[in-house]
Amino acid sequence: DAGITQSPRHKVTETGTPVTLRCHQTENHRYMYWYRQDPGHGLRLIHYSYGVKDTDKGEVSDGYSVSRSKTEDFLLTLESATSSQTSVYFCAISESEVNTEAFFGQGTRLTVV
Amino acid sequence: SQQGEEDPQALSIQEGENATMNCSYKTSINNLQWYRQNSGRGLVHLILIRSNEREKHSGRLRVTLDTSKKSSSLLITASRAADTASYFCATRLTGGGNKLTFGTGTQLKVEL
Repeated sequence: DAGITQSPRHKVTETGTPVTLRCHQTENHRYMYWYRQDPGHGLRLIHYSYGVKDTDKGEVSDGYSVSRSKTEDFLLTLESATSSQTSVYFCAISESEVNTEAFFGQGTRLTVV
Repeated sequence: SQQGEEDPQALSIQEGENATMNCSYKTSINNLQWYRQNSGRGLVHLILIRSNEREKHSGRLRVTLDTSKKSSSLLITASRAADTASYFCATRLTGGGNKLTFGTGTQLKVEL
């Protein structure tokens, strides 16, 4: 299995509080992604990174920010959590070439109450 | 709206039968990939087909790609109960900055 660790694996938080999810990789892959998975929507891209300090928005980026200060770590922050951000969050990594696969973490289940 | 849409949304078959899932997408792609997700787990890569390829095989999996119709199909032959999972197509868009965009998935149930 690719070396990807998401933390925490489960979290319950209150509306309005900040939350940070961490993705850590040991593969030295250039690209890192954050997705959310909700019933009926499949996986939707939140943000992705193509290098240290290089990030770009995905299709559902509102309410989320990211940071990548080291190759191995990609942080997803919910500045002020809302109930609509209750979801399962997945991190993924891939190498630099276009025709390569992505490897996924095991997911973080976030509940905002 | 999402780049990829799978069809059907759910599929139930008997063990030993073949399962076919389809994926349609909207814009020009570099490649199309299929992933599998077991309940409560992360996604696992199955197969990648490049835009200049029309068919690819891997074990019991057969993938086709028709770029003129912007569609792909995944065939699982001689299905097993262990194939029960959700299957997603994903596309890397041409000029998309290496974004990987997923469809909504097909839930496959293989019954004994």
